Amino acid sequence: DAKTTQPPSMDCAEGRAANLPCNHSTISGNEYVYWYRQIHSQGPQYIIHGLKNNETNEMASLIITEDRKSSTLILPHATLRDTAVYYCIVRVATSGTGNQFYFGTGTSLTVIP
Amino acid sequence: DGGITQSPKYLFRKEGQNVTLSCEQNLNHDAMYWYRQDPGQGLRLIYYSQIVNDFQKGDIAEGYSVSREKKESFPLTVTSAQKNPTAFYLCASSGTASSYEQYFGPGTRLTVT
Repeated sequence: DAKTTQPPSMDCAEGRAANLPCNHSTISGNEYVYWYRQIHSQGPQYIIHGLKNNETNEMASLIITEDRKSSTLILPHATLRDTAVYYCIVRVATSGTGNQFYFGTGTSLTVIP
Repeated sequence: DGGITQSPKYLFRKEGQNVTLSCEQNLNHDAMYWYRQDPGQGLRLIYYSQIVNDFQKGDIAEGYSVSREKKESFPLTVTSAQKNPTAFYLCASSGTASSYEQYFGPGTRLTVT
């Protein structure tokens, strides 16, 4: 079963910030939150990840609430090339040697000119 | 260039035939993964391997088989037992660094008629 909940779709005006929410209310203390995006018919692309502190890189910022039950991916200045499906993923550490990724339903972001 | 390659990009087979999808990586990653994606859906984990000669079933392993004889290679066989094999198949790998992000290949679109 999916471990995250995301809105199915969002629109954002070009040049504005895109804020994509994700709920992960059952997250445990040692689970990371990852964000990926997938442009149509391509492999997903890693964006950013975090544990409990806010993170920023050249692509985006990740804001995680203090209780860690939700997070927001921020694309500061959305461009048309940011149109994609965005996946919020919680990394589960399985027993033994595994580290499974559970992909959520994803949010289809459309950047509007 | 380092990365993950999947071949072929498009594959057509007749029902009842087994087919093997190739996945190769030169990133020196220990872990490799196979996902299936159906139209308009998220990714579902088929199999994963954390180390050579070891692999684990994911959420939808029935009708699939894998091998991991070399670190660089993780082929997926779609057997005739898979009821609905037509899908987009994605291979990924991840290293042993603390971040564990997964890098994806371009995918293979399999059509079985």
